[in-house]
Amino acid sequence: SQQGEEDPQALSIQEGENATMNCSYKTSINNLQWYRQNSGRGLVHLILIRSNEREKHSGRLRVTLDTSKKSSSLLITASRAADTASYFCATVTAAGNKLTFGGGTRVLVKP
Amino acid sequence: ETGVTQTPRHLVMGMTNKKSLKCEQHLGHNAMYWYKQSAKKPLELMFVYNFKEQTENNSVPSRFSPECPNSSHLFLHLHTLQPEDSALYLCASSQEGLAEYQETQYFGPGTRLLVL
Repeated sequence: SQQGEEDPQALSIQEGENATMNCSYKTSINNLQWYRQNSGRGLVHLILIRSNEREKHSGRLRVTLDTSKKSSSLLITASRAADTASYFCATVTAAGNKLTFGGGTRVLVKP
Repeated sequence: ETGVTQTPRHLVMGMTNKKSLKCEQHLGHNAMYWYKQSAKKPLELMFVYNFKEQTENNSVPSRFSPECPNSSHLFLHLHTLQPEDSALYLCASSQEGLAEYQETQYFGPGTRLLVL
């Protein structure tokens, strides 16, 4: 099975609410990255968190990493309709030479 | 705009056709990647090029043939494809050599391919 798996697979919220999605992985990592993809387009890098970091912020995004549980979460605060997209976590293992993507969480923010 | 462009954006081809996908990056990166994204499946890494040399071929069928003439350009040559090859093909680039581990990748908008 894949290295990173997101949960839930889909999420529907009202504008202004917070959206939280989780990523679990199996093997030790060097870093974990979150990407966003608008429908049918390329992925856009959101944030990178290293294995020795526990939390990172970027604007309305907050990412946590728990290496003991091999999991990460992405929180989008005060969501907007423009946040509607699929969100993917990607891990870089100790071998370090490539990203491995999870299946993604589809987020729908209703106006 | 991420600095990575892909052409064409949409492509319809028959199983006997030969076509090529093109990717160009304007970021000065030295690593480029091809990914395949099918419906309801995770993003699949196909090929990796570092400094124009192929460093990874992820068990991709020979009907997909990559070419990297320089660090800024990457092609994916397609021939005798199957309907199940219909997918979004994404190109990405990154700056290797500055860090020991894989850092951020920058993606193009993708080519939506339909094989009839």
